[in-house]
Amino acid sequence: GIQVEQSPPDLILQEGANSTLRCNFSDSVNNLQWFHQNPWGQLINLFYIPSGTKQNGRLSATTVATERYSLLYISSSQTTDSGVYFCAVEGRDDKIIFGKGTRLHILP
Amino acid sequence: EADIYQTPRYLVIGTGKKITLECSQTMGHDKMYWYQQDPGMELHLIHYSYGVNSTEKGDLSSESTVSRIRTEHFPLTLESARPSHTSQYLCASSAWTGRHEKLFFGSGTQLSVL
Repeated sequence: GIQVEQSPPDLILQEGANSTLRCNFSDSVNNLQWFHQNPWGQLINLFYIPSGTKQNGRLSATTVATERYSLLYISSSQTTDSGVYFCAVEGRDDKIIFGKGTRLHILP
Repeated sequence: EADIYQTPRYLVIGTGKKITLECSQTMGHDKMYWYQQDPGMELHLIHYSYGVNSTEKGDLSSESTVSRIRTEHFPLTLESARPSHTSQYLCASSAWTGRHEKLFFGSGTQLSVL
């Protein structure tokens, strides 16, 4: 099945800093989504982005499908951005597979 | 936005018991999924469904079973619970809106098997 790798696995930043999270995938995908899991465990959908670039406030994402990677940018980090960020891809078999996540901790 | 309901929120049971975790969604989504997640770790796909009477196994070997008799209902059953089943179980549904497809999650069931 399709493999999803996220980097870095852990990231600690000072409030106000910018960050880039990466998601690599091993095969063509039908779609790709980014999620944020907050410290209370709730999963929030950030972007649906099988290709191209999208922006939502301080967050933006870019997927280059031909090169099989996606990037999530977080600018001017806030403590509420802390949590785990997951990339999830849907392969041609309709399975939605998650990466291991990037654990982000923003220090006040 | 989709509304997905999971019950119970927390469950503590003894080894060998049969349990069913409930999942319902109110938006008429065709695709539904069950994931298993340990705290802060990746989500493992254990079952999914394209629609009524359609169920498939995911990538994680699981001793659970699912059914999809109605579009809105996708229960997960463990015939004989073991301590290794202790984990959080997340149910999700998705649908194509014409512009994009989103995966919506319930709040999860935290299962502890003693």
